[in-house]
Amino acid sequence: GIQVEQSPPDLILQEGANSTLRCNFSDSVNNLQWFHQNPWGQLINLFYIPSGTKQNGRLSATTVATERYSLLYISSSQTTDSGVYFCAVGGGADGLTFGKGTHLIIQP
Amino acid sequence: AAGVIQSPRHLIKEKRETATLKCYPIPRHDTVYWYQQGPGQDPQFLISFYEKMQSDKGSIPDRFSAQQFSDYHSELNMSSLELGDSALYFCASSSTTYLSGDNTDTQYFGPGTRLTVL
Repeated sequence: GIQVEQSPPDLILQEGANSTLRCNFSDSVNNLQWFHQNPWGQLINLFYIPSGTKQNGRLSATTVATERYSLLYISSSQTTDSGVYFCAVGGGADGLTFGKGTHLIIQP
Repeated sequence: AAGVIQSPRHLIKEKRETATLKCYPIPRHDTVYWYQQGPGQDPQFLISFYEKMQSDKGSIPDRFSAQQFSDYHSELNMSSLELGDSALYFCASSSTTYLSGDNTDTQYFGPGTRLTVL
């Protein structure tokens, strides 16, 4: 099956810092989503981005499908950004394969 | 906007008991997915349904079964529960057709059911 690798596995930053999270995948995909899992376990959909670039407030994402990677940018980090960020890929309406996630801690 | 609804939110069972988890998808979504997330793990895809027919199958144990009903809600039935089944179970839904303000195939996750097997 398809392999999804996320880096870094852990990241500790001060409030106000910027960060870049990376997701590499082993095969072509029709679906790529970024999620934020908050400390209460909720999985929040951030972006649906199988290709191209999108921005939503302080967050933006870019997927280069031909090179099989995606990047999630977080600017001006806030403590509420803490949690685990997952990249997940799939083919259209198939089940998603998740990476191991990046555990982000934003310190005040 | 309406979200995916899951019930119950928490469930405690003994080993060898059975459990039924319910999922109500976002209105007008036609595809439902089930995922299992163990402690400290990433979510693992179990099974999905499109228009009440199984559409994709992942790592679902034989002790588990699921179905989607005519009103599009789905139930995950788990029998002969084991300690290792303790996990957070997510349901997600998506639409295969374009809905205003949405992308087709974007999966939206419910709040999850936390199952504890004692």
